[in-house]
Amino acid sequence: QKEVEQNSGPLSVPEGAIASLNCTYSDRGSQSFFWYRQYSGKSPELIMFIYSNGDKEDGRFTAQLNKASQYVSLLIRDSQPSDSATYLCAVRSNYQLIWGAGTKLIIKP
Amino acid sequence: DVKVTQSSRYLVKRTGEKVFLECVQDMDHENMFWYRQDPGLGLRLIYFSYDVKMKEKGDIPEGYSVSREKKERFSLILESASTNQTSMYLCASARGQGYEQYFGPGTRLTVT
Repeated sequence: QKEVEQNSGPLSVPEGAIASLNCTYSDRGSQSFFWYRQYSGKSPELIMFIYSNGDKEDGRFTAQLNKASQYVSLLIRDSQPSDSATYLCAVRSNYQLIWGAGTKLIIKP
Repeated sequence: DVKVTQSSRYLVKRTGEKVFLECVQDMDHENMFWYRQDPGLGLRLIYFSYDVKMKEKGDIPEGYSVSREKKERFSLILESASTNQTSMYLCASARGQGYEQYFGPGTRLTVT
């Protein structure tokens, strides 16, 4: 059973600080990795995807991938109250997306 | 921008009723998906379709069926709604298997 694991949280971060969200996966052959944001009562929206080892930056968001250690992380710089949401990690494994259960992030003003 | 729409945002049905949830995407995507999401259980895949008239069972297909007669439209059918099918239902589409998925706004279904 291929798995994607995330700490459910809540993760509480002061406004303006860096929020760090982590995700580990079991299938060493996984090729693509996705981060989604989901506000309460809304549907998930794609934030970023990453395919290669290393960092990928998009505005205040940075995705980090380490295939050897089988983890992917999302950093949010200069956290804002509007970043408060649940963040879902998804991993491509054998042509399917395997979903983590999500980490709830709370940004405290 | 990819746009995925769902027929209803909120729906209230009685036990035993037949329920239709419709999803339409406008990006010519090959793959479409139906999930349900419940607190503490994350996203669970009900069915997916990789082509017109093709369907595959996901992790929790029991009590559900689907229909895909046109590429842009994917319907989820609850043949006889039960209270344990009260949930948020999310439709998604993707250009291929394993690619990023784009979600509709969701339908919150309550079965009483």
